[in-house]
Amino acid sequence: KAGVTQTPRYLIKTRGQQVTLSCSPISGHRSVSWYQQTPGQGLQFLFEYFSETQRNKGNFPGRFSGRQFSNSRSEMNVSTLELGDSALYLCASSPRQGRSPEQYFGPGTRLTVT
Amino acid sequence: GENVEQHPSTLSVQEGDSAVIKCTYSDSASNYFPWYKQELGKRPQLIIDIRSNVGEKKDQRIAVTLNKTAKHFSLHITETQPEDSAVYFCAEAAGNKLTFGGGTRVLVKP
Repeated sequence: KAGVTQTPRYLIKTRGQQVTLSCSPISGHRSVSWYQQTPGQGLQFLFEYFSETQRNKGNFPGRFSGRQFSNSRSEMNVSTLELGDSALYLCASSPRQGRSPEQYFGPGTRLTVT
Repeated sequence: GENVEQHPSTLSVQEGDSAVIKCTYSDSASNYFPWYKQELGKRPQLIIDIRSNVGEKKDQRIAVTLNKTAKHFSLHITETQPEDSAVYFCAEAAGNKLTFGGGTRVLVKP
């Protein structure tokens, strides 16, 4: 099976702009979670989607949003970018929702905000 | 809320020696404890996990132990090799949300 894929791999944006990142889960996996990785804060949970519905949300401002499509692909959007949003954004796919399933990560999107 | 503490933050070992990384968690509802290895510029890779109904699990040179009463779990790597050099993250979950420790940078010296 192909692994989790993310596009784009690298992105440079300016403060105030918005950005959309995409994640395609492993075939057959229906849950997609998003994480932010920074040197200072480590790996932090953003949100999780299953069956096109947000099931869980982390402690991030409303500028961070996401959605999931009927084919389980997911997108996350960050509006009004701030310098502190520079990070590696990782998505992870799981075969199910609940009962703490294994999560497999994509390669990430490296976002730089200038 | 959930919190995971991971120690040490850096670990240098001689090739062939063992490495041990320890994590403690606070959420009593946690029932799943995975470990990820992240090499420089790569994605976190799930290397082993353990669930709350098991005390120990082994896979070749790596093993995890879990003490639910004390709320701590550990990763043990035996016969370390240079390719074991990476950052290791522990995590806990009681559902699909993973809460990660701060990571341990492991350097295996040849």
